[in-house]
Amino acid sequence: DAGVTQSPTHLIKTRGQQVTLRCSPKSGHDTVSWYQQALGQGPQFIFQYYEEEERQRGNFPDRFSGHQFPNYSSELNVNALLLGDSALYLCASSQNGQTKETQYFGPGTRLLVL
Amino acid sequence: AQSVTQLGSHVSVSEGALVLLRCNYSSSVPPYLFWYVQYPNQGLQLLLKYTSAATLVKGINGFEAEFKKSETSFHLTKPSAHMSDAAEYFCAVSTTPSGTYKYIFGTGTRLKVLA
Repeated sequence: DAGVTQSPTHLIKTRGQQVTLRCSPKSGHDTVSWYQQALGQGPQFIFQYYEEEERQRGNFPDRFSGHQFPNYSSELNVNALLLGDSALYLCASSQNGQTKETQYFGPGTRLLVL
Repeated sequence: AQSVTQLGSHVSVSEGALVLLRCNYSSSVPPYLFWYVQYPNQGLQLLLKYTSAATLVKGINGFEAEFKKSETSFHLTKPSAHMSDAAEYFCAVSTTPSGTYKYIFGTGTRLKVLA
């Protein structure tokens, strides 16, 4: 049973560019959440997708957007990259988005903005 | 609003000694609580979770945590540390269905195990 997978594993971009990160949820899961983990910090919630719609959003600007596909996979897009966007981006999947359901995390995509 | 505080950003213990990582939460509604472990250059792995059943929760790798409502705490313990336990540990809170669907994480505690 494949767990949560993310691609790419590492990415280097320059300020002002745009980036797309991808996530495939664990088999049987229909909900995908994205988190940003800056160096030395805990993960911060960006948003959650369920039934192809953004259901909840954290305190992130509109430069951060996402999408969920019919197969439940998801993309995170970040426009007009800033140096401060450098972080590990984690995707987590769960069933039905219920809060007591465990979120399973992928290995993350490490983004470096120069 | 919900929040999590992890006391001690770094904790060092000797191999074979007790591990105690502290987590206090703030929540206006009954919380669900989680402990995750993160090894270098990896994602987060669930150690254990509390979802309003038994207050003493046993997890993987010999870890356990006790939910204490009166102290708003959910400390993580392991009787005997192993070198392989060296990692970063995160406590997280999630609210009941009437609230949000997100996890709120603490800032993490890096555990160092000394030989």
